[in-house]
Amino acid sequence: NSKVIQTPRYLVKGQGQKAKMRCIPEKGHPVVFWYQQNKNNEFKFLINFQNQEVLQQIDMTEKRFSAECPSNSPCSLEIQSSEAGDSALYLCASRGQGPNERLFFGHGTKLSVL
Amino acid sequence: GDSVTQTEGPVTLSEGTSLTVNCSYETKQYPTLFWYVQYPGEGPQLLFKVPKANEKGSSRGFEATYNKEATSFHLQKASVQESDSAVYYCALSGGSNYKLTFGKGTLLTVTP
Repeated sequence: NSKVIQTPRYLVKGQGQKAKMRCIPEKGHPVVFWYQQNKNNEFKFLINFQNQEVLQQIDMTEKRFSAECPSNSPCSLEIQSSEAGDSALYLCASRGQGPNERLFFGHGTKLSVL
Repeated sequence: GDSVTQTEGPVTLSEGTSLTVNCSYETKQYPTLFWYVQYPGEGPQLLFKVPKANEKGSSRGFEATYNKEATSFHLQKASVQESDSAVYYCALSGGSNYKLTFGKGTLLTVTP
């Protein structure tokens, strides 16, 4: 069973609304990822953190999304103004810091933008 | 950047037949290679990983060999079961930012 906890499981928003989802990484994992998975099962990397610092993010994330991983609080990903094309499964994953570590994924938050 | 190309699905097999899902990759790093499996309503979970070239990984009857010369990591299973029905992803991880790059996934359906 996944030890990466994502909430909510489902999120429904209208276009232009904010959409916020949360993730509690597995205990002891300093590296956290957000991926977007579309209806064709394709993954798009959005952003990753090491502890509270952003390691890498794509342009879309930088412009329309805000994400953070504060210490002692869940990580979060927020879309500032939802668009229809944002409808997808948002997956959070965490890993340890070693060179060959696997990613542990949560069940995802399924966002529908109407 | 890194890329992974795998067999386009869907793939439908009868129980007891053999499976091969091709995977090839491109990277300038020295990657670790992974196969993940995803069942409906869940996030991907690791099937197995292989960090070193020319080594083989295996789990639950699935196996793949990290072929650095051919830049391939094909998934095989000698005899599939109905419970193997899922989406399979080949992935690689390399570089300092830990990013995992996935293939587009292969939907496998096994019929009884």
